[in-house]
Amino acid sequence: QQPVQSPQAVILREGEDAVINCSSSKALYSVHWYRQKHGEAPVFLMILLKGGEQKGHEKISASFNEKKQQSSLYLTASQLSYSGTYFCAINSNAGGTSYGKLTFGQGTILTVHP
Amino acid sequence: EAGVTQSPTHLIKTRGQQATLRCSPISGHTSVYWYQQALGLGLQFLLWYDEGEERNRGNFPPRFSGRQFPNYSSELNVNALELEDSALYLCASSVRTALSNQPQHFGDGTRLSIL
Repeated sequence: QQPVQSPQAVILREGEDAVINCSSSKALYSVHWYRQKHGEAPVFLMILLKGGEQKGHEKISASFNEKKQQSSLYLTASQLSYSGTYFCAINSNAGGTSYGKLTFGQGTILTVHP
Repeated sequence: EAGVTQSPTHLIKTRGQQATLRCSPISGHTSVYWYQQALGLGLQFLLWYDEGEERNRGNFPPRFSGRQFPNYSSELNVNALELEDSALYLCASSVRTALSNQPQHFGDGTRLSIL
């Protein structure tokens, strides 16, 4: 089942902060975050694993609440280059039909203005 | 280091035809994933190949198929094309993982348009 992201869109001025949330109805094993700019490939930002957290990007951090089955992406002191669509992707099971499969959220459109 | 490369960039077909999309993973990556991204939608998981074998597939009909070659490159074949197959098809690669605990790195995609 697809994770739900919120908000669907956010508009910022340079230097402002933003939080993007990702919620799942299933227990999470791993959460991946990606950013996609229009017409480009999704770019890996970071991955968070059950029982641990792994940062993949400077100035952008994330949390993983296993109990609430949620993850949040924090963007601080936003820059123009942060604009794009942010996707969370989850793996809800280390095996079975979810084996190796990432299920992506619908995306959050982030726009940063000067 | 070269990233994931996909070809062709654009592909135009008519209903009922067959399409073949190609993907070369990052050197050292053995896993290749295929996703469909329809206009305005998120990414839908299609297929996962590792070490030449299909390891998992998403909720797509059998006319979506593929294979992985000994050099780990991959092909996605779509038979009997339908209008709703029009989408961006993205390929990603990663080091081998059974637990989705490795990042997937994406290519720029193939834009498939069905007339």
